[in-house]
Order: sequence, then structure tokens, then C-alpha cells
Amino acid sequence: QVQLVQSGAEVKKPGASVKVSCKASGYTFTTYAIHWMRQAPGQRLEWMGWINTGNGNTKYSPKFQGRVTITRDTSANTAYMDLSSLRSEDTAVYYCARDIGSWSVFDHWGQGTLVTVSS
Amino acid sequence: IVMTQSPDSLAVSLGERATINCKSSQTILYNSDNKNYLAWYQQKLGQPPRLLIYWASTRESGVPDRFSGGGSGTDFTLTISSLQAEDVAIYYCQQYYSTPHTFGQGTKLEI
Repeated sequence: QVQLVQSGAEVKKPGASVKVSCKASGYTFTTYAIHWMRQAPGQRLEWMGWINTGNGNTKYSPKFQGRVTITRDTSANTAYMDLSSLRSEDTAVYYCARDIGSWSVFDHWGQGTLVTVSS
Repeated sequence: IVMTQSPDSLAVSLGERATINCKSSQTILYNSDNKNYLAWYQQKLGQPPRLLIYWASTRESGVPDRFSGGGSGTDFTLTISSLQAEDVAIYYCQQYYSTPHTFGQGTKLEI
């Protein structure tokens, strides 16, 4: 069965960077794009960007452009999201999700990774 | 594109109908394929979202048929025909017409 398993919770200081991983199993990794979203406490979901796992092309939300980098390692069936210059407002649960068919509809999600930014 | 849901919260009796509305700030109907680029998700406490419906009305595999989606252009609805206890959750709409893809603020559904 399709599974996306994310790395564990992180606590970071303001100004630091965080890298969250998303390991896929149960399907051919390079066939489906991976997207990253986040959800701050009590807030709506926020789309951050996506990666074409086949060719590595990426697209980012303007809100995060310059601070976020999404990569993938096809040998490890894993996607990564790197967010730099962290501030307290970046405290959120970060999710990876599989794109059902390159339409940006998300049919399988990771369990979420809590990133806490605090001095 | 701003997605606005109504109401913010809703209490419905078991077995009754629940209707959630979602409005986009501009059309998300793509003329070239006549499809509405809208999805609905269900999120239970402590869990990631679950895809229910896409193309505004196509039910995802495994989703009970009491869930249905409708609407076109800028106005959409998610209907649960007969509320079950396990439907207690927050429901989100999402547009994938253009980037950045955006979600509604969520509607909390309670018994």
C-alpha cells in the first residue's frame, strides 16, 4: 500500500534551517509528484511547493520563494523540504503529499512533522 | 485565489444532511476542458487530511457515497447526505486551478 513516512519532530532556533524528509513506498516514486504543505496551529493549510520526482523540476509558492528548497533522492524514494531563516511564525506541522495525477490533488499524505521555532 | 468557506462550524444531528459551502475569489472552471479545479478534504483530529472529492464532484476511491460535491465556477458545495458519527472532522476545500494552490479556512463539523 502507498505510504509516505516523514521524519520526526524538530525544534529550531530563529534563523536556523530545517530539513524534513518524506520516504515513499508502495508505488513507483518517480511516477508521481510530491507536494509540501504546512498547517500552523488553528490555521488553514498552506501550499509551499512541489517537485516533479521524475526530472527534479520544482515550483514554489511566492510566499516561500528564496527560503524553501525541495529536492528528491530517487535511489532512496525520498523527497526533502528545506526551509531556511526560520522565524516563530514558521512553527507548524509540515506535510508531504502525493499528487494523484499531476493536477495538484493530494491522494496520500505523510503523517506530518511538527517544526517548532523558539529561542 | 482566495477560498472562503461557510459556515465556520456546523452542528448536525446523526442521520441528517450536512452542507458546506466554498467560494473562490475568481472562477476555477477551466474553459478548455470544462472542469472545475476544486477538491475537498476531511481532516480528523491529529491526522493528515484525506482526499474526498476532486474535479468538484468526482468521489475518490473508497469514499462513502453519502459524500457528494457540486457547484461550478466560483461556488461549490460538499454535502453529506446522512451524517455518521465518524464524519466529525474539519473539512477543507482547495483550488488547483493556479499556483499558489490555496485552501479554505475549514469548516468544523460536529454532531
